[in-house]
Amino acid sequence: NAGVTQTPKFQVLKTGQSMTLQCAQDMNHEYMSWYRQDPGMGLRLIHYSVGAGITDQGEVPNGYNVSRSTTEDFPLRLLSAAPSQTSVYFCASRSWGWETEAFFGQGTRLTVV
Amino acid sequence: LAKTTQPISMDSYEGQEVNITCSHNNIATNDYITWYQQFPSQGPRFIIQGYKTKVTNEVASLFIPADRKSSTLSLPRVSLSDTAVYYCLVGDKAAGNKLTFGGGTRVLVKP
Repeated sequence: NAGVTQTPKFQVLKTGQSMTLQCAQDMNHEYMSWYRQDPGMGLRLIHYSVGAGITDQGEVPNGYNVSRSTTEDFPLRLLSAAPSQTSVYFCASRSWGWETEAFFGQGTRLTVV
Repeated sequence: LAKTTQPISMDSYEGQEVNITCSHNNIATNDYITWYQQFPSQGPRFIIQGYKTKVTNEVASLFIPADRKSSTLSLPRVSLSDTAVYYCLVGDKAAGNKLTFGGGTRVLVKP
């Protein structure tokens, strides 16, 4: 049981480049989400999904796209990278129900130069 | 979602008990309180969750007074490895994946 797996762990992009951060979970969780964490700050919600085919915006969605074609995968796409998107990105998943424990991946450290 | 307020940082020493209080004055009837722990360069990890009174697990205890306007996470006999950021979150299942993280409390355990 791998939990939540994020790839890559590190990435350097040039301004204007696009890329996709991958997130996969093997716990059959309905909910998945993406957060970004800037140095010394808490996590901010980018996008989330309550199931395959359903996504919605979080607190800071601009510059990012998501899709959820399967229960397992929830990729995050940066359309045109900007230095302001330099951050650590975390993917999380949780199941429906009163239990609110969210499982987080190890993060992707992204630098945009 | 109820707003939470917690201290920015706390220092402690090995073997001591650490208590972190979180204020959530606007907590709703269906809301429960959840704490996460985050080590440097790692994703947050669930510690404990409660609705009222006291909850205890192998890692921590959570004390919630009757009015539920605050809660206290208690870490017994901390070690250096408990140095981390601790986040208090309030919400219910309707919040779905909208877990809202504030700045957290940075706990430094000294030898």
